[in-house]
Amino acid sequence: DQQVKQNSPSLSVQEGRISILNCDYTNSMFDYFLWYKKYPAEGPTFLISISSIKDKNEDGRFTVFLNKSAKHLSLHIVPSQPGDSAVYFCAAVNSGGSNYKLTFGKGTLLTVNP
Amino acid sequence: DTAVSQTPKYLVTQMGNDKSIKCEQNLGHDTMYWYKQDSKKFLKIMFSYNNKELIINETVPNRFSPKSPDKAHLNLHINSLELGDSAVYFCASSHRQGDVYGYTFGSGTRLTVV
Repeated sequence: DQQVKQNSPSLSVQEGRISILNCDYTNSMFDYFLWYKKYPAEGPTFLISISSIKDKNEDGRFTVFLNKSAKHLSLHIVPSQPGDSAVYFCAAVNSGGSNYKLTFGKGTLLTVNP
Repeated sequence: DTAVSQTPKYLVTQMGNDKSIKCEQNLGHDTMYWYKQDSKKFLKIMFSYNNKELIINETVPNRFSPKSPDKAHLNLHINSLELGDSAVYFCASSHRQGDVYGYTFGSGTRLTVV
């Protein structure tokens, strides 16, 4: 039961261009969404998040867009840099639930080529 | 200064053995978690403790037993290891229950059961 789906296992872009990573969810109770970045042999690190009351959140080169009606969110990285090469996990949570577990997607491997 | 540290980083063991993975956080967080990343790459929550009290216990075989001697430690003991237990196990912590964007992950323990 994949409540959070990242349908692209990998993405390759050129340095300086835009990277767009997509995420879909099925549980309408999710109201908070996060992106985590993971380098090999390291744990995931928090990147950016968005509440369901917003449709956009921006932090430097990173912007997350949320389309609630489509149950879809995307992470835009612009301009992309080689150091952005990593696995990106989308995660979602029902912040009003009795527990606060994050539900993760399978991740998308982003490769930024110099 | 590793914020969330797990030991060992790699663990290779035979079927039927009992093993433990240790996790410590020095962030002063109240809540700790164990996540499992299986061969399909999903990160799935297993357990969550808040101030040494179990608050999340997903559908995990009872061969897995978490132990939290204090709020800075959450260890995972696994009895009678099976081939299917092979995965990467991540420990994480957050400031408080519900602090969804404050998860700090450890670097993971790669368990291989042969």
